[in-house]
Amino acid sequence: QQQVKQSPQSLIVQKGGISIINCAYENTAFDYFPWYQQFPGKGPALLIAIRPDVSEKKEGRFTISFNKSAKQFSLHIMDSQPGDSATYFCAATDTNAGKSTFGDGTTLTVKP
Amino acid sequence: ETGVTQSPTHLIKTRGQQVTLRCSSQSGHNTVSWYQQALGQGPQFIFQYYREEENGRGNFPPRFSGLQFPNYSSELNVNALELDDSALYLCASSLWTAVTGELFFGEGSRLTVL
Repeated sequence: QQQVKQSPQSLIVQKGGISIINCAYENTAFDYFPWYQQFPGKGPALLIAIRPDVSEKKEGRFTISFNKSAKQFSLHIMDSQPGDSATYFCAATDTNAGKSTFGDGTTLTVKP
Repeated sequence: ETGVTQSPTHLIKTRGQQVTLRCSSQSGHNTVSWYQQALGQGPQFIFQYYREEENGRGNFPPRFSGLQFPNYSSELNVNALELDDSALYLCASSLWTAVTGELFFGEGSRLTVL
């Protein structure tokens, strides 16, 4: 049973463009929503995260938009750069249970 | 500040064997979680250890077991290996997740079962 659905599976964007990745969740016990960036041969690294009492969080070129009623959240990467080319995972965490549920990932390619 | 380190980085086993993977948590962290990442998929939660006890468990059979030591390092043991156990095994350390949900991952141990 997949509790976090992520789309698209892959994304190609021109340098300077906006990359948008979407996720939807089901379990209302989730109370922390991070995004992770993973390069080949490396473990996932936390990029940005949001809690459900906030509708948007921005850190540099990265923004999370959160819609609690729709149970959806998205990652926006502004001014995408070739160095952003990686796999991005959304996750939803039940911090009381200590469990994070990940989406299946989006492979982002930013073309020069 | 040292990050999360895992060993070994790669290993090959045959079906039915047993494997032990090791993880040293990041300095200052008291919680360790283990995840299995199959090729092309997101990490799947195996279990979490806090204060040397299993705190939560995902949908993995009992042949997946673990330990956390007083220095917060951890081991993942898998018995009776099956072909489907081939994956990247990720260790993540954190402060107790009721305080923060942040996970800090190691680079993983890639297990191949033949």
